[in-house]
Amino acid sequence: EIVLTQSPGTLSLSPGERVTLSCRASQSVSSSNLAWYQQKPGQAPRPLIYGASSRATGIPDRFSGSGSGTDFTLTISRLEPEDFAVYYCQQYGSSPLTFGGGTKVEIK
Amino acid sequence: QVQLQESGPGLVKPSETLSLTCAVSGYSISSSYFWGWIRQPPGKGLEWIGSIHHSGSTYYHPSLKSRVTISVDTSKNQFSLRLTSVTAADTAAYYCARDTVPGYFDPWGQGTLVTVSS
Repeated sequence: EIVLTQSPGTLSLSPGERVTLSCRASQSVSSSNLAWYQQKPGQAPRPLIYGASSRATGIPDRFSGSGSGTDFTLTISRLEPEDFAVYYCQQYGSSPLTFGGGTKVEIK
Repeated sequence: QVQLQESGPGLVKPSETLSLTCAVSGYSISSSYFWGWIRQPPGKGLEWIGSIHHSGSTYYHPSLKSRVTISVDTSKNQFSLRLTSVTAADTAAYYCARDTVPGYFDPWGQGTLVTVSS
């Protein structure tokens, strides 16, 4: 099973700042089959990124993903008020599908 | 626009069976894709449970495989989850989602909270 470790656990930031979230895999994720989701309290996860760097439908271009192998990154170029949430990475290169523990981006 | 909606009991007794259904609208399940279930204990992270293809082919998380059955009803355009011998550790929000690629979930249902308690 591939274990995904997200860091940091919590980030305290201000609107307008740039943020970089990390997702590290315990073994290589095949074909860059890595996704990112955003989740707000009481809501279902919202798909943001798939294939490590492709934006899901309707996702603004301030969100970008990069990485390969065992190290992946989600970058938000300029935080908007609606971006404060928990972010999860997920690998789908091998079964079982696994999620990281999440990074909470909170308002400073 | 594809939409998914979970339904089922919100309270299940320990040792009993949890049963949920996911109704899909805006897309025919029999056309393509896998369809999956994911859960999230209160205040915790996400755990994939398993997925099913419209043909009936399934793949499950090994840790749950002995207790999980996912089935599909193409005539009703829905798929279902059964989890047997539940304990308090199975208390969670349960989400259904379209499992593309497969393995990447988009879109998701709104989720339903299931509490295991006597």
